[in-house]
Amino acid sequence: SQTIHQWPATLVQPVGSPLSLECTVEGTSNPNLYWYRQAAGRGLQLLFYSVGIGQISSEVPQNLSASRPQDRQFILSSKKLLLSDSGFYLCASSKAGGPGNEQFFGPGTRLTVL
Amino acid sequence: KQEVTQIPAALSVPEGENLVLNCSFTDSAIYNLQWFRQDPGKGLTSLLLIQSSQREQTSGRLNASLDKSSGRSTLYIAASQPGDSATYLCAVIKAAGNKLTFGGGTRVLVKP
Repeated sequence: SQTIHQWPATLVQPVGSPLSLECTVEGTSNPNLYWYRQAAGRGLQLLFYSVGIGQISSEVPQNLSASRPQDRQFILSSKKLLLSDSGFYLCASSKAGGPGNEQFFGPGTRLTVL
Repeated sequence: KQEVTQIPAALSVPEGENLVLNCSFTDSAIYNLQWFRQDPGKGLTSLLLIQSSQREQTSGRLNASLDKSSGRSTLYIAASQPGDSATYLCAVIKAAGNKLTFGGGTRVLVKP
């Protein structure tokens, strides 16, 4: 099965500062990769997904961006954080080859913007 | 637009009782349905995946059923234990898409 690593585990950042969250995947090649955000009282929301290196799809307009510089590396970034960016960010992975494959999640990064 | 609902939002049962968790979705054109467990402050752990062509899946004390035509899935946990206390989330993947649409979750407390 797939193992997903995320870091950092927790992060406290001031408004207006940049952000970089990293996710790496083991146990599969050419996975589909996803970034989700879980905000208090709002459930889990898909932010970005990627089916290959350099291929990023954005689900909602926002202050964030994503990049996939290597096959099993997925990065979530922001140039200037907003208070509303606070939340629990989860990276997920599934096998390539179709949308019906099981998704596996990483341990998450808790981001607090002050 | 696909909407996924989980009712109740919270549930408390005594140890040993069977748990029944409900999930409903509005669009029956799905590829699969996945049940997850989330402990406080942690990521999601996949429990069961049901393909759209399946009616149910079982793993140990867990059994999940799927009725696409009525837009419902049920997760049964037999003989609940305090360690089963967590939030349980269901999510569906719509045909021709890659994203999971999640329900709001059911927070379960199993009292010793």
